[in-house]
Amino acid sequence: GAGVSQSPRYKVAKRGQDVALRCDPISGHVSLFWYQQALGQGPEFLTYFQNEAQLDKSGLPSDRFFAERPEGSVSTLKIQRTQQEDSAVYLCASSLAPGQPNEKLFFGSGTQLSVL
Amino acid sequence: AQKVTQAQTEISVVEKEDVTLDCVYETRDTTYYLFWYKQPPSGELVFLIRRNSFDEQNEISGRYSWNFQKSTSSFNFTITASQVVDSAVYFCALSMGYSTLTFGKGTMLLVSP
Repeated sequence: GAGVSQSPRYKVAKRGQDVALRCDPISGHVSLFWYQQALGQGPEFLTYFQNEAQLDKSGLPSDRFFAERPEGSVSTLKIQRTQQEDSAVYLCASSLAPGQPNEKLFFGSGTQLSVL
Repeated sequence: AQKVTQAQTEISVVEKEDVTLDCVYETRDTTYYLFWYKQPPSGELVFLIRRNSFDEQNEISGRYSWNFQKSTSSFNFTITASQVVDSAVYFCALSMGYSTLTFGKGTMLLVSP
């Protein structure tokens, strides 16, 4: 499709399990972002890639969170030893140009993670 | 640090009413960008508008209009003659540097027939 694709759409994990969330950005988009959206809240920045380089990971809440984009296209957000507080919607966004503050971001529909 | 405040958690209107969603922002930067995004039940955030800090001209796009006032650090969004399809959560956001967005908590708009 032409938009940002995320999978799975829903993920249920038992506490302590590892999970991997996938993002397929719009073809040719240089910048890729991950955001976390808790219930009833606005999205919060997690990490930013420009091509395969992770330029900012300041928003990752702990060292259990890890993101990669090895070939500069598809990205994976991995959460190790999941905790209940990790339950949220994880949104991926991409933009055409290297990060500019005025860039319009295109968002996927997100992965809703529920940790039991 | 930057901050975006959307004081209205939820607004309910009847179709054809006008509605204004408030947004107040805080930043020490002189160059910044303000955005509005719409999040329908499908979950995907949809870009509505972008405005830079040097352009205070108000903008109208169909039934949508935006009022940017630097003096009060506000960037309010008005929907004229609301429709049921306008029901969604609306987010105001602020950006400096590379395009990391700081979002408000959102305003849920419910438009009933």
